[in-house]
Amino acid sequence: SQKIEQNSEALNIQEGKTATLTCNYTNYSPAYLQWYRQDPGRGPVFLLLIRENEKEKRKERLKVTFDTTLKQSLFHITASQPADSATYLCALEAAGNKLTFGGGTRVLVKP
Amino acid sequence: NAGVTQTPKFQVLKTGQSMTLQCAQDMNHEYMSWYRQDPGMGLRLIHYSVGAGITDQGEVPNGYNVSRSTTEDFPLRLLSAAPSQTSVYFCASSYGGGVSYGYTFGSGTRLTVV
Repeated sequence: SQKIEQNSEALNIQEGKTATLTCNYTNYSPAYLQWYRQDPGRGPVFLLLIRENEKEKRKERLKVTFDTTLKQSLFHITASQPADSATYLCALEAAGNKLTFGGGTRVLVKP
Repeated sequence: NAGVTQTPKFQVLKTGQSMTLQCAQDMNHEYMSWYRQDPGMGLRLIHYSVGAGITDQGEVPNGYNVSRSTTEDFPLRLLSAAPSQTSVYFCASSYGGGVSYGYTFGSGTRLTVV
């Protein structure tokens, strides 16, 4: 069956360090993969999209990699700040343009 | 530019009642979707639409109905509410299926069925 797996355990990290989140998938062949941020009580907010032919994408302090051989994406937050504390969701396209989400990883950045 | 607007924000229903969750977007997006989010389950796709007059089922469509008569609106109908439908519901829209700019989400409707 198709699965998108993110680490369900919260990631606690010290301010200024790099947070690295993992998104693994099975039985998908996505053309692209997306990352979203979700704050408590709010809807997800789109952050980054990376295509299957791109190895890496950057936006400010965020970096995403996409390895279609390993079926994995890594999401990095460099120089993390307390304001980066949130849940981060990966999503990819299933057949028929259906965007499917992983369960998300909560990040807590401590000052 | 309001983005994606969902109403109501909160709702309590009795088992067996029906209701419609409203979703409207003003970005002229073709694609619209409904998700539900439950603790430990992540976001699960209920129904989606790739344009006016076109809808399709997602992962968990049972007990829900949709229609898309205009580009702007994509209402979600609960036919006969059950406690298992207690959840937070999110509507989302995108241009071109989110291939370039991702999906824009509404702020959600928190539904409790008693």
